[in-house]
This record gives sequence, structure tokens and C-alpha cells, in this order.
Amino acid sequence: DIVLTQSPDSLALSLGERATINCKSSQSILYSSNNKNYLAWYQQRPGQPPKLLFYWSSSRESGVPDRFSASGSGTDFTLTIGSLQAEDVAVYFCQQYYSAPHTFGQGTKLEIK
Amino acid sequence: VQLVQSGPELKKPGTTVKISCKASGYSFTEYYMNWVKQAPGKGLEWLGLIDPEDGGETIYSENFQGRVTITADMSTATVYLQLSGLRSEDTAVYYCATPGGPWGQGTQVTVSS
Repeated sequence: DIVLTQSPDSLALSLGERATINCKSSQSILYSSNNKNYLAWYQQRPGQPPKLLFYWSSSRESGVPDRFSASGSGTDFTLTIGSLQAEDVAVYFCQQYYSAPHTFGQGTKLEIK
Repeated sequence: VQLVQSGPELKKPGTTVKISCKASGYSFTEYYMNWVKQAPGKGLEWLGLIDPEDGGETIYSENFQGRVTITADMSTATVYLQLSGLRSEDTAVYYCATPGGPWGQGTQVTVSS
């Protein structure tokens, strides 16, 4: 199974600060035939289902604010929030859909300091 | 794309639950469908997937092998999750989700005598 390890486990920042969340895969999730990384990022606010932020590692889902960005390839991926807003308080997950089981990172809890 | 799940379930230990996920807004056979478990205060756990196009081919998590069955009804664009031999540890919210795509709203399953 592919293991996804997120860092950090939690993050407390002030409004307006930049947040960076990492997701490292135990093996490459880049499919060479189409040059796509099979990784998604999700935001889960308390009491809500996960909301898709990015797919194919860096393709922004419609409606996601552009202060959110994602990058990476192969085994190392990053989600960045450029200027933290109060509504960004949530748990953020990465998920690989390269091979079954479609495993998740353990989640990163983002809070306002 | 919209995934609408069935309502909450209260079940006794040892029984079986079957929950549904109706898809709309896309070609039903175009994407796999995952089922994901989220126990109270916990992260996300992948249960299995179904390929609605490929004769309903399924892959299940080893952790749930033998207790979980995923099926699809192409005539109604609905995917089902059946979990048998329920125990208290199965109390959770269960989500359907397209890989790298949107999720259903979740179905609360409570197992209690």
C-alpha cells in the first residue's frame, strides 16, 4: 500500500500569514503515460464532509479561492494558503488515487493563533 | 457532479447496514466510486471502490474484507455500500467519493444495542 505522510500534524498561525502543508508519498504517484500525479487535496471544516480543493496534484477545483495553491510531483507535494483567513480553519487531507487502496494522509489541523 | 447519500442509520451489533449514493451531473460509468469511513474524531479510512463500467469490478480494503460489499445499479446511477457483522467500532460517518473528485454529504451509521 502507498503511505502518505503529512507534515505538520497541526499548525497555528495568525490571520494573513502563509500556511504550508506537506504530503510525502512512499512511492511515486506520477503516471508516466499521461504525466499526471494522482493526488488530491481536501479541506474538512468541523461537522462538514471533505471538500475537494485540488486534483491531479495542482488543478484547482472550481470556486476554490486563489489564495490556495498546490504543487509537487512524484513523491513530494505541497498545499499552500497564501494569506490565512478565518474560514480556512479546518483539517486538510491529501489522498492518492494512483493505486488501490486509495490511501489518505493523516490530516493537518490548521488553527488561528 | 452531485453525490446524494441516504439518511442516518441506527443498527444493533451483528446486523447489516446498506447505504446508498446516487450520482448525477456526470456519466456514471466514467469514474470509479470510493467508500470512505470517518469514525468520531478520527481521520479518513478507505473501504473500497467499484468500477461501474467494468462489470462492477470491486476492490476492498483488507481491513474490511469479508464484511463489506459494494454494488452499483447503472439504471439509477446509484452505488451501494453494505457492511455486515456490525460492531460498535463501525459507528462512523460513511462517505461515497469519486477519486480526486467531489464527495457525498455522508451517512451517519450508529451501532448500539
